[in-house]
Amino acid sequence: DQQVKQNSPSLSVQEGRISILNCDYTNSMFDYFLWYKKYPAEGPTFLISISSIKDKNEDGRFTVFLNKSAKHLSLHIVPSQPGDSAVYFCAASVVMDSSYKLIFGSGTRLLVRP
Amino acid sequence: NAGVMQNPRHLVRRRGQEARLRCSPMKGHSHVYWYRQLPEEGLKFMVYLQKENIIDESGMPKERFSAEFPKEGPSILRIQQVVRGDSAAYFCASSPLNYEQYFGPGTRLTVT
Repeated sequence: DQQVKQNSPSLSVQEGRISILNCDYTNSMFDYFLWYKKYPAEGPTFLISISSIKDKNEDGRFTVFLNKSAKHLSLHIVPSQPGDSAVYFCAASVVMDSSYKLIFGSGTRLLVRP
Repeated sequence: NAGVMQNPRHLVRRRGQEARLRCSPMKGHSHVYWYRQLPEEGLKFMVYLQKENIIDESGMPKERFSAEFPKEGPSILRIQQVVRGDSAAYFCASSPLNYEQYFGPGTRLTVT
């Protein structure tokens, strides 16, 4: 049962253009969503997050949008830079019975072409 | 402030041996999480610990796997009698309370 889905395994974008990475979820109990970026042979790095009570959060070139009715969120990177090339993971958090965990999607590999 | 530290970075074990993975959380963080990533897959939650307590181990295989986070020292993920299917990258994360988790560089376990 995959509760967080990233249906696009890869995305290629020209430098300077917008990158849009998508994520769908099924569990309406999720209360917080996060995006992580991962380079090969490194651990994931926290990028940006959004609470379920908001629909947009912006941090520099990165903006996350949340559509609760559609159970969909997206990460926009504009303008895209070659250094943004990495695997991006969407994650959702749920707190139940004093426990807290992140549920990750399978990732989208972004390639930004110079 | 040093980040989350994991060692070893690479670990090779023969089938049947034990693997011990260590994780030192960021200073001031009392929550530790272990995740496993198989090739071409996302990270899968394994266990959530606070000092001397296992809060949630719902993602841990029922046998051969155990985790601890003692009062002093790093968190340890132990895999006994390793099998080839245990080969994966194991990531540790820490957080001060909840939500944003900060990940270590991972330990890549190879079982031969």
